[in-house]
Amino acid sequence: RKEVEQDPGPFNVPEGATVAFNCTYSNSASQSFFWYRQDCRKEPKLLMSVYSSGNEDGRFTAQLNRASQYISLLIRDSKLSDSATYLCVVKRYNQGGKLIFGQGTELSVKP
Amino acid sequence: GAGVSQSPSNKVTEKGKDVELRCDPISGHTALYWYRQRLGQGLEFLIYFQGNSAPDKSGLPSDRFSAERTGESVSTLTIQRTQQEDSAVYLCASSLAGAGLSYEQYFGPGTRLTVT
Repeated sequence: RKEVEQDPGPFNVPEGATVAFNCTYSNSASQSFFWYRQDCRKEPKLLMSVYSSGNEDGRFTAQLNRASQYISLLIRDSKLSDSATYLCVVKRYNQGGKLIFGQGTELSVKP
Repeated sequence: GAGVSQSPSNKVTEKGKDVELRCDPISGHTALYWYRQRLGQGLEFLIYFQGNSAPDKSGLPSDRFSAERTGESVSTLTIQRTQQEDSAVYLCASSLAGAGLSYEQYFGPGTRLTVT
C-alpha cells in the first residue's frame, strides 16, 4: 500500500463546478500536509499548505482530519485554468523534510 | 530572482551508458532534494542534502545511483549502467532549510531521461 493515496481521476467537470479531491495517508507520524499543482510536463508548484483547523485561499479550501488520516481539497467555481494534476503531499520532520507524494489526481475543466 | 535550474532538459541515452544530471539550487538554500517521477506516477524521493551533513540516501533505488553536492551549491546525480526502467523525469528541489522547518521546496523544471 502506498503511503499517500489519491484517486487518480481524471475528473472532468464543466466550468463553474465545485470539485473535491480526497487523499489518505498511512503514517501517523506525518506532520505537515500540502497540496501541489502540476501542469502537464511542468514541475510541481505549491498550491497551499493544509492546517488542522482547515484553511481557505480564494476558491480553494483544504481540510485535514488527523484522526482519520484524511486530507481534502475543494475547488469552487472551477476555471479552465484549474486544469492540472493535483498532488497530495505529506512531510515528516524526522526524515529530513523529504516530501512524500501521492500519485496525483487529474482535473480537466471544460467550457 | 533565479529559480532552481537543471541541465540537460532532455537526455536520451542507450542502455548501459552512464548519465550525469545537474542541479543548480536557489542561492542561499541549504537543503537540496532529488526526486524521480515516472510516467503517470507521483514523485519518489531519491536523496537529500542539508548543508555539510551526511546526505540521506535512503531513496536511491540501487547502487547504480549516486549524487554529490559541493557545499551549498551545485549537485550532480549520476546513474551508471542505465536501464530502461530508469526512464523518468528527474526533479531537483531546494529550500532554505530541511528537517524540522516548514520551508517551501522549490522545484526545477526537471531532466527528462529516456533510456533506449
